[in-house]
Amino acid sequence: DTAVSQTPKYLVTQMGNDKSIKCEQNLGHDTMYWYKQDSKKFLKIMFSYNNKELIINETVPNRFSPKSPDKAHLNLHINSLELGDSAVYFCASSQDRGPSATRNSPLHFGNGTRLTVT
Amino acid sequence: GENVEQHPSTLSVQEGDSAVIKCTYSDSASNYFPWYKQELGKRPQLIIDIRSNVGEKKDQRIAVTLNKTAKHFSLHITETQPEDSAVYFCAASTREGSNYKLTFGKGTLLTVNP
Repeated sequence: DTAVSQTPKYLVTQMGNDKSIKCEQNLGHDTMYWYKQDSKKFLKIMFSYNNKELIINETVPNRFSPKSPDKAHLNLHINSLELGDSAVYFCASSQDRGPSATRNSPLHFGNGTRLTVT
Repeated sequence: GENVEQHPSTLSVQEGDSAVIKCTYSDSASNYFPWYKQELGKRPQLIIDIRSNVGEKKDQRIAVTLNKTAKHFSLHITETQPEDSAVYFCAASTREGSNYKLTFGKGTLLTVNP
């Protein structure tokens, strides 16, 4: 069983479309994340939710809207897709309120969704 | 916010040699430093981590060292094998209120030549 699963694995769409990526974790973790990995492999956090509450919201265009119906699910909806949105989007989860020295709460990543906007 | 610098961006070694990847961080309050390995087309996976109260940690062929005064930490891989070829990311955990956030370095592409 995949601990953090996200769908779809590949997503090819045209500029201006709206698309969603879904993520589910079965680890019982309290916190879930969306990371974006660009063509240069740079991993950058976008959002973080703890028990359905938004706790980290980096500087991301408001075309990106995360939704967490429960603590095991975190979806990402993207409106009006642009060429620059092409990237691999990773969902991740961790225990507590994130990885720290005081807790054994490493980050677990999903397998990624490769989004290509044409 | 936290800034994590990672060097080198690419590293090529012969099988059996050692590889060293170095990172520096800017926030002196950071206290947790994991390393992730990402094979081509795969997800990043945790390989080792170190907490700020420890100077060195080893796990078989990999080791991590931390110098809190200088704010740098390093990954050491000994007796490298072709399957060690991957992108390696260092990261630092910083506290934002009651939450913790990982900031990643830009990655090092390690190639181990047979």
